[in-house]
Amino acid sequence: DAGITQSPRHKVTETGTPVTLRCHQTENHRYMYWYRQDPGHGLRLIHYSYGVKDTDKGEVSDGYSVSRSKTEDFLLTLESATSSQTSVYFCAISERGEGDEQYFGPGTRLTVT
Amino acid sequence: AQKVTQAQTEISVVEKEDVTLDCVYETRDTTYYLFWYKQPPSGELVFLIRRNSFDEQNEISGRYSWNFQKSTSSFNFTITASQVVDSAVYFCALRTYSGAGSYQLTFGKGTKLSVIP
Repeated sequence: DAGITQSPRHKVTETGTPVTLRCHQTENHRYMYWYRQDPGHGLRLIHYSYGVKDTDKGEVSDGYSVSRSKTEDFLLTLESATSSQTSVYFCAISERGEGDEQYFGPGTRLTVT
Repeated sequence: AQKVTQAQTEISVVEKEDVTLDCVYETRDTTYYLFWYKQPPSGELVFLIRRNSFDEQNEISGRYSWNFQKSTSSFNFTITASQVVDSAVYFCALRTYSGAGSYQLTFGKGTKLSVIP
């Protein structure tokens, strides 16, 4: 199994509070991704990174920001959580990007009340 | 725009039956990659296969086989002699290169397969 961990694994927070999710990898892969999974929508890309300090937006980036100061860590921040951001968040990594399969972390279940 | 359609939302089969999961994609790119992932009830996402747009050979891996047809923009997945452990949600995904280190990965909404003993 690819060495990907996510923390926390579960979180309940209140509307309007900031939340940061962490993805940590031990594979030294260049590319990292954040997805959210919602019933009826499958997985949707939020943001991704193609190197340290290099990030770009995905399909559903509004309300989210990311940072990558080290190869191994990719942080997803909800500046002011809303109930619509209740979801399961998955981090993924890939080695070379184009054509490479992505390996996923275990997921973080976030509930915004 | 890229799009992946998995028209079958849920499928139920009896153990040992064969089952095919459909995936139809849309893209204007000539170079692209297609993937299948499995998500068992435990929740993790497991990579199953990758296929690039220049390779239309079908692939078989044990009880799993994949049929890629560019003419119909389809990448279907067949499980032969299904087992209870095959019960999961299966996702088809399309990956395209947008240039300058930028990629897009689009997932279908998934097909939930239930294998009944």
